[in-house]
Amino acid sequence: GDSVTQMEGPVTLSEEAFLTINCTYTATGYPSLFWYVQYPGEGLQLLLKATKADDKGSNKGFEATYRKETTSFHLEKGSVQVSDSAVYFCALAFMNYGGSQGNLIFGKGTKLSVKP
Amino acid sequence: NAGVTQTPKFQVLKTGQSMTLQCAQDMNHEYMSWYRQDPGMGLRLIHYSVGAGITDQGEVPNGYNVSRSTTEDFPLRLLSAAPSQTSVYFCASSYSTEEFTEAFFGQGTRLTVV
Repeated sequence: GDSVTQMEGPVTLSEEAFLTINCTYTATGYPSLFWYVQYPGEGLQLLLKATKADDKGSNKGFEATYRKETTSFHLEKGSVQVSDSAVYFCALAFMNYGGSQGNLIFGKGTKLSVKP
Repeated sequence: NAGVTQTPKFQVLKTGQSMTLQCAQDMNHEYMSWYRQDPGMGLRLIHYSVGAGITDQGEVPNGYNVSRSTTEDFPLRLLSAAPSQTSVYFCASSYSTEEFTEAFFGQGTRLTVV
């Protein structure tokens, strides 16, 4: 079945370090891909998205490129801040996929801690 | 702009008790869903609805009931709570176009069953 696999954490970085969180997916069709972020004690917020191959999503200095050939959507940021400490979820969803359009399939999440 | 509103934020239940988690959205989205979040498991889909009067099961539906009488509301019912239902529950509403789907989440309900 369809699934998302992301690197396990926790990930601990120093401020201004480079961040990569790997995400790969298995899907029978052509999903939209997402990164959601969950700050401590809060719900999930959409961080960025990409809807087709080679699209690059970006927001708040984070980027991810939809790579169809490697079925990947890795999250990157050039210089992390303490305020980026959160749990990051990679997810996929299908467009107009029968009655289940809108269903998100999540990875297990990666906890990021950034130290000053 | 309220978005998706969940109540309550915290709840403690005794085994066997029943309760309803409330979810309301003001974005006129047809699609709504419930997820549970457990450590190391990510988020798993419990039930979803593609419009008023239509519901369906997700990955982990056992022990939960839903109904969708209006576009705005999508309550989740636990008929007889069990410790295995201790979790954080998120409601989401989504819209889809031919090009993409986007989901908006509530703040979550932290449920403890003792």
